[in-house]
Amino acid sequence: AQKITQTQPGMFVQEKEAVTLDCTYDTSDQSYGLFWYKQPSSGEMIFLIYQGSYDEQNATEGRYSLNFQKARKSANLVISASQLGDSAMYFCAIGKDDKIIFGKGTRLHILP
Amino acid sequence: DSGVTQTPKHLITATGQRVTLRCSPRSGDLSVYWYQQSLDQGLQFLIQYYNGEERAKGNILERFSAQQFPDLHSELNLSSLELGDSALYFCASTLDNMNTEAFFGQGTRLTVV
Repeated sequence: AQKITQTQPGMFVQEKEAVTLDCTYDTSDQSYGLFWYKQPSSGEMIFLIYQGSYDEQNATEGRYSLNFQKARKSANLVISASQLGDSAMYFCAIGKDDKIIFGKGTRLHILP
Repeated sequence: DSGVTQTPKHLITATGQRVTLRCSPRSGDLSVYWYQQSLDQGLQFLIQYYNGEERAKGNILERFSAQQFPDLHSELNLSSLELGDSALYFCASTLDNMNTEAFFGQGTRLTVV
């Protein structure tokens, strides 16, 4: 069974600084996908970035990048030049065999 | 806009009642996932359908059921509702069964009173 661990329940970061949100996962599978989602206070789940387990290059989408370290089973999200609008809950997830399993999330607060 | 449409956005109902939540996936997506998000449980996977067939089940109660129709929209039926069923219910869709770039709808907020 897959498992996702996000060890940071909450983080406070100064605006314009880079942020790293931690995510580790546990799976015995060789083929899987890793996801990050943002959930603002309005409640919607916004897809940010995806990394396949066989992708050799780290995924990037604008200010978001996924620091994928397969041997360590780590998939940290890096947000560069943080903005006030980045304040939200962030979820890491792993997808395999028709399921996408989520971590408990990290609440990110960007300070002006 | 993710392209995934969920209706209704909000639903208030009494205990013991039955409700149906609807999800239309993104155009071209064949796979639909349902999730329940409550304050103390995080995002719990309920069930997944691919092209009309049930493919995976998570922590879905027997009082809950779902289906995916030929036009690929999906419905989640919740019956004999209890106070603890109050939650945000999301559906997500992907192109196929390979868990790539799953996009979520805006969710249905269910309040059971």
